[in-house]
Formats: sequence, C-alpha cells, structure tokens
Amino acid sequence: EAGVAQSPRYKIIEKRQSVAFWCNPISGHATLYWYQQILGQGPKLLIQFQNNGVVDDSQLPKDRFSAERLKGVDSTLKIQPAKLEDSAVYLCASSLGRGTGIGELFFGEGSRLTVL
Amino acid sequence: AQSVTQLDSHVSVSEGTPVLLRCNYSSSYSPSLFWYVQHPNKGLQLLLKYTSAATLVKGINGFEAEFKKSETSFHLTKPSAHMSDAAEYFCVVSVLAGNMLTFGGGTRLMVKP
Repeated sequence: EAGVAQSPRYKIIEKRQSVAFWCNPISGHATLYWYQQILGQGPKLLIQFQNNGVVDDSQLPKDRFSAERLKGVDSTLKIQPAKLEDSAVYLCASSLGRGTGIGELFFGEGSRLTVL
Repeated sequence: AQSVTQLDSHVSVSEGTPVLLRCNYSSSYSPSLFWYVQHPNKGLQLLLKYTSAATLVKGINGFEAEFKKSETSFHLTKPSAHMSDAAEYFCVVSVLAGNMLTFGGGTRLMVKP
C-alpha cells in the first residue's frame, strides 16, 4: 500500500516569497491534516479536512496561509508571503477517520521549509 | 480544552536497560491517547493507542503504555532498549470522536551502546 506522498521534500526561499506544498493521501482516507512542526517542538495542527470540507482551521494564519483539498483527494498548502518564523517542517497526514481507524494517522515524510 | 505534557525533553538509557517516557494529559472528556514515534528524516508512526478498552496497551516493537485516570498519565515503557529505539516520541491526546489530535512537545530518546 502506498503511503502519504509529499513534495517537495526541501524548499529554501527568501522572506516575502511564496511557496506551495503538495500532499497525496492514502487512497480511501477521508480525513487529511496539515501540521507545522518547528524544530524542537511537537506538530501543531494547521488545518483538517474531512473529504473536501474544512473541519478545523482555527490555528491556520489565514492572512498568509491557505489550503485546499479539491475533489476530496490531494491537497495543497500555500504560504504567501513567507516570514522567517514559517521555517519548519510541514507534515501531511491522512486517516480513515472512522471506526478503529480513529486517531490513527499516517504521516508523510514532510516538507522542510527554510525561509532566509 | 485538551493538552498533553511530556515531562522529559530528553531521556538517555543504555542498551538493554528499561525505558520510561512520561506523559500527563488534561482533558474535559474521556480521552483517547496515543504514542507516536519519529525517526530522523522519517514520518511519524503510530506506536500504540488507548481508546477506553484495556488500560494496559501493547504496541509495536515491545513498547507498552498504561492509562491511569487517577494520575492523568499515559507513560510509555519498554523492558529493554535497543539501539534502533533512538528517536523522538510524542504523546498525543484526542477527544470528541478522536480525530482532533493534540501533540505533546516530544521526548528525544537516546540509547547508548
């Protein structure tokens, strides 16, 4: 079974530039998450989708971050304009979201962003 | 509101000795609790989960955790550490149907030969 795919793995940009990250979840997983993991900290949820609807985006800095999940499959997270404090690893995860799969998230390897 | 506190940011053990990673949680409702592991440059992987069944939960690679409601704890243990256990471990709490997770700050486990 293919895992969660993310790209790019690494990205270096200057502040005020824009960047986009892509995620393809495990086939059949209804729930998709984007997390931000700053060095030395635990992952922080940015946004959670159920199919193509947003469940929770309360911690997404909406003035600069946006995310979409068209057709309820893959997703894109965009940052525009980037700030120095956005340097982090952006993790995508997916989950069945029901039954025994509740709480069991499958994570991609992450996209590491460095903002100079 | 829910939160989780991992009491040690770093734990160092010798190979073959027991491992104890401590986690306390706070939740207004009956929580689901999880431990995830993150090896360097790898994605996070579920180790084990507690969802109101048996309070002693067994996971992969010989790890287990015990849910203690009176102490609001969910500590992770392993009888004998292996070099391959060196990684970052995250305690995670979830309420409200279990799909909205809050991560702790992580504990880095180092295993000495």
